[in-house]
Amino acid sequence: GAGVSQSPSNKVTEKGKDVELRCDPISGHTALYWYRQSLGQGLEFLIYFQGNSAPDKSGLPSDRFSAERTGGSVSTLTIQRTQQEDSAVYLCASSSSGGQGHEQYFGPGTRLTVT
Amino acid sequence: AQSVSQHNHHVILSEAASLELGCNYSYGGTVNLFWYVQYPGQHLQLLLKYFSGDPLVKGIKGFEAEFIKSKFSFNLRKPSVQWSDTAEYFCAGKNNAGNMLTFGGGTRLMVKP
Repeated sequence: GAGVSQSPSNKVTEKGKDVELRCDPISGHTALYWYRQSLGQGLEFLIYFQGNSAPDKSGLPSDRFSAERTGGSVSTLTIQRTQQEDSAVYLCASSSSGGQGHEQYFGPGTRLTVT
Repeated sequence: AQSVSQHNHHVILSEAASLELGCNYSYGGTVNLFWYVQYPGQHLQLLLKYFSGDPLVKGIKGFEAEFIKSKFSFNLRKPSVQWSDTAEYFCAGKNNAGNMLTFGGGTRLMVKP
């Protein structure tokens, strides 16, 4: 079946602009995660959605970052007033549920470059 | 704080050599442990996982890992590597206090033909 998809695959933006990154999880998966992969910091958790529960935003690096998940499916990660240190690959993952005993399936990522 | 550490940042092997990549985790309680692989230009794929039960888990492409609770370790092994195993390998874990994965820093493996 279809895996996790993300768009765009690449995004180049000027410092100070806002960007939106999209994630389509695997159909039926209730848990959705955003991670960031950067050279200096490795793979870092950003935010987690589980069903209709309030998201776990504990990994968001600043208030310029936000995310929403509409209808329990598609998610959008928004970065306002982008900075050069935001340049990274943003990964989305989904799993059939959160908690123990469930593996996460990753999408191909969006490579964000802030110039 | 929860953490996962990988000892080797870069490993270079010749084909048919044996592989062991180290991974240690720092948190207690019930743990789920994973090894993911990222081939050049591709996305993260799951190699294997440990949830409970037999501490020796087998994954795809001939990889296996052993969960040793007393050592807080989950090392990845393969008896004979191939050139196609050239990739970056990530150990990750989570416990029952959180839902997100904590990743190690990754190990870049290069296999020379």
